[in-house]
Amino acid sequence: DIQMTQSPSTLSASVGDRVTITCRASQSIDSWLAWYQQKPGTAPKLLIYKASTLESGVPSRFSGSGSGTEFTLSISSLQPDDFATYYCQEYNTYSRTFGQGTKVEIK
Amino acid sequence: QVQLQESGPGLVKPSQTLSLTCSVSGASISSGGYYWSWIRQHPGRGLEWIGYIYNSGSTYYNPSLKSRITIAVDTSKNQFSLKVNSVTAADTAVYYCARVESGYDRPDYWGQGTLVSVSS
Repeated sequence: DIQMTQSPSTLSASVGDRVTITCRASQSIDSWLAWYQQKPGTAPKLLIYKASTLESGVPSRFSGSGSGTEFTLSISSLQPDDFATYYCQEYNTYSRTFGQGTKVEIK
Repeated sequence: QVQLQESGPGLVKPSQTLSLTCSVSGASISSGGYYWSWIRQHPGRGLEWIGYIYNSGSTYYNPSLKSRITIAVDTSKNQFSLKVNSVTAADTAVYYCARVESGYDRPDYWGQGTLVSVSS
């Protein structure tokens, strides 16, 4: 089974900080990776697909990069609305496995 | 505006079958270009992809759940459904349905989610 490992699990940051979250796959997934943002009590919201393609309507401060087994999600200047949990997800296999999540907290 | 809405019992007894329906409005399940998915989230934990179905009826299931799940589509009602057999407490979760654009695997619309608890 493919494993998706995110780091860190929790990240404390301030408004205006640049934030980077890493996602590692246990086997190559080419660029078949998505990033989601989730706030309590709501469904996940797609931010990035195909590793680096920004979903329509998502602010340009979000960016994704990587291929193969290592990927990153970056937020160039953290805004108050960005405090949430972020998940990566591979869609190279039928499992479409998610990472365990990274909670971005206010420092 | 596309909307998806999950419905079904909020409480299921162990060993019984969990059944949920996702009603779609603002789009036709019969239209091509999308597949229709179920995802769940255990309380306070991460996300798990359950499986998905095309309007043709072709299904793809998470191998870890494959033996217990069935996803079906009812194009006449513009709905798709999920059944999970032989449930245990480990199946307690918020269940989401979602529409996914096939070409890019983009889940563009989600339901609000429904909590299903497994308890006697």
